[in-house]
Amino acid sequence: AQSVTQLDSHVSVSEGTPVLLRCNYSSSYSPSLFWYVQHPNKGLQLLLKYTSAATLVKGINGFEAEFKKSETSFHLTKPSAHMSDAAEYFCVVSDSTGNQFYFGTGTSLTVIP
Amino acid sequence: DTEVTQTPKHLVMGMTNKKSLKCEQHMGHRAMYWYKQKAKKPPELMFVYSYEKLSINESVPSRFSPECPNSSLLNLHLHALQPEDSALYLCASSQASGRVPYFLFGPGTRLTVL
Repeated sequence: AQSVTQLDSHVSVSEGTPVLLRCNYSSSYSPSLFWYVQHPNKGLQLLLKYTSAATLVKGINGFEAEFKKSETSFHLTKPSAHMSDAAEYFCVVSDSTGNQFYFGTGTSLTVIP
Repeated sequence: DTEVTQTPKHLVMGMTNKKSLKCEQHMGHRAMYWYKQKAKKPPELMFVYSYEKLSINESVPSRFSPECPNSSLLNLHLHALQPEDSALYLCASSQASGRVPYFLFGPGTRLTVL
């Protein structure tokens, strides 16, 4: 069975400082992993996806994530936080068929001016 | 066209009303989904259509009735809803097979049941 654990429900950073949002996964096969961002009262936007082609994945808006099989992790990072990054972030894993997607509980990112 | 559209953006309805939510995509995706999302929570899966057939129904009450008229359209018919059904309803699509799957989400319909 697949599952995702987002280790922090809230993260607060100052503008211009690095962002780290943590995600650990459990999967019985080589997983497909995703990060989505949701701004208030909006739908979910795909930030990046891991496809097994490269362990370091670059996404939109300066975000990137590194797949570490030995640690079963897929943490999301950004070198310098911007006020517009304040949002809810979801880590997601898909099943082997690609028809089912399993969400983490989400991490709320606050950026302090 | 690389997006999922949803209408209406906002909907207010009474408990005796009948209304429908609409979702559309023209990317050739063969899997379409309805999710319900409460504030500060992850989306909860309601229904999955794969190749226009209902493949997953997550024990959703019968007051929610999905319909997939064709491969581009997905509807959610609402009848006799309860105030606790107030939420953001998200539609998503994905390729059912082949390349790495991922969701494309619509912007959602904010539903308020009075």
